Amino acid sequence: DTEVTQTPKHLVMGMTNKKSLKCEQHMGHRAMYWYKQKAKKPPELMFVYSYEKLSINESVPSRFSPECPNSSLLNLHLHALQPEDSALYLCASSQVGRGGSYNEQFFGPGTRLTVL
Amino acid sequence: QQQVKQSPQSLIVQKGGISIINCAYENTAFDYFPWYQQFPGKGPALLIAIRPDVSEKKEGRFTISFNKSAKQFSLHIMDSQPGDSATYFCAASKYNFNKFYFGSGTKLNVKP
Repeated sequence: DTEVTQTPKHLVMGMTNKKSLKCEQHMGHRAMYWYKQKAKKPPELMFVYSYEKLSINESVPSRFSPECPNSSLLNLHLHALQPEDSALYLCASSQVGRGGSYNEQFFGPGTRLTVL
Repeated sequence: QQQVKQSPQSLIVQKGGISIINCAYENTAFDYFPWYQQFPGKGPALLIAIRPDVSEKKEGRFTISFNKSAKQFSLHIMDSQPGDSATYFCAASKYNFNKFYFGSGTKLNVKP
């Protein structure tokens, strides 16, 4: 299995809702990532988990809350989002090599989020 | 400060032609340079990557050329096909560090 899966594919939520995005990989990768991508822009890194521990938080607002329950799963909990948070949310994973080196990142198809 | 600069922003090529996308970086500590291809509504997919110990890497119709002294690298797509129409992102990262610095992207349109 060489893919990263994400659910749901599309999500529409109001500013007062609470929702979660899910990501799963079965490649044995021990690093997992959340990215946000706006139209016609490159992906922007939000969070990195390495060995199930949060290693990078790119100063993301607290209305986004990541969780890594095990080495295969990554969640992004959403609460009180703003319309400007509407974007494609991408999950990725990578190996962690010898000496901590990180190899290529494999991306999932993304969740298209619309905040009304 | 933008760590990786990519050009052109958009590119139109005739079928069978060569598509060339260029990237330049500032940080000499970068030592991994991937190219990603992204179709509308999909996640980026790794196309090809290079490390600075070689000046060129070829995989099928896709070639990365790397110039360490100029801190530049480029993607060449030979015999471009309409199915290659997508957005291409270059990126760079440091060894032993899990953060990619992406270029701004190039939207390629291959005309039939």
